[in-house]
Amino acid sequence: GENVEQHPSTLSVQEGDSAVIKCTYSDSASNYFPWYKQELGKGPQLIIDIRSNVGEKKDQRIAVTLNKTAKHFSLHITETQPEDSAVYFCAASSAHTGNQFYFGTGTSLTVIP
Amino acid sequence: NAGVTQTPKFQVLKTGQSMTLQCAQDMNHNSMYWYRQDPGMGLRLIYYSASEGTTDKGEVPNGYNVSRLNKREFSLRLESAAPSQTSVYFCASEVAYEQYFGPGTRLTVT
Repeated sequence: GENVEQHPSTLSVQEGDSAVIKCTYSDSASNYFPWYKQELGKGPQLIIDIRSNVGEKKDQRIAVTLNKTAKHFSLHITETQPEDSAVYFCAASSAHTGNQFYFGTGTSLTVIP
Repeated sequence: NAGVTQTPKFQVLKTGQSMTLQCAQDMNHNSMYWYRQDPGMGLRLIYYSASEGTTDKGEVPNGYNVSRLNKREFSLRLESAAPSQTSVYFCASEVAYEQYFGPGTRLTVT
């Protein structure tokens, strides 16, 4: 099955700086790559996603890039704010895997005011 | 529009006891999922249901059973709880690959 690896496991940045989280995947058939934000005591919330026919997608301060050849994708958060502090998860899925989603192990982001 | 709801929020069981975790969604989604979340391991899929009347095993199905009661409800049952099933359980529904998660059930098995 698919194997998704996520780095780093923890990340601290100063408010206003950028944060980058990276994920790699193993199954070349994967074609959907979502990112989730999980705040303490809550369920994961979808914040941005990218499909394999697109190389980059941006939504205000958040962007995701995808390199299909290298099988990796990254989350970029610019102008970080304290409310960006949370655990972020990447995932991969495809119809090939029968609707199954495979998650990375998470990155705990702390934005220092 | 409540989204995905889960009950209970917290539960403590003794080894060997049984219980059912309830999940409901009001978004008319066909697909629903059960995950468990353990420290340092991300979310792992237990079971999923692509539509009413169908269920399939995920990555870690042993020790669990599920029922897709109707389009809205998808329950997870532990027949004989074990300490290894101590975890946070999340239900999700999905449309066009976009998953929406419930708030979770924190289960402790002693």
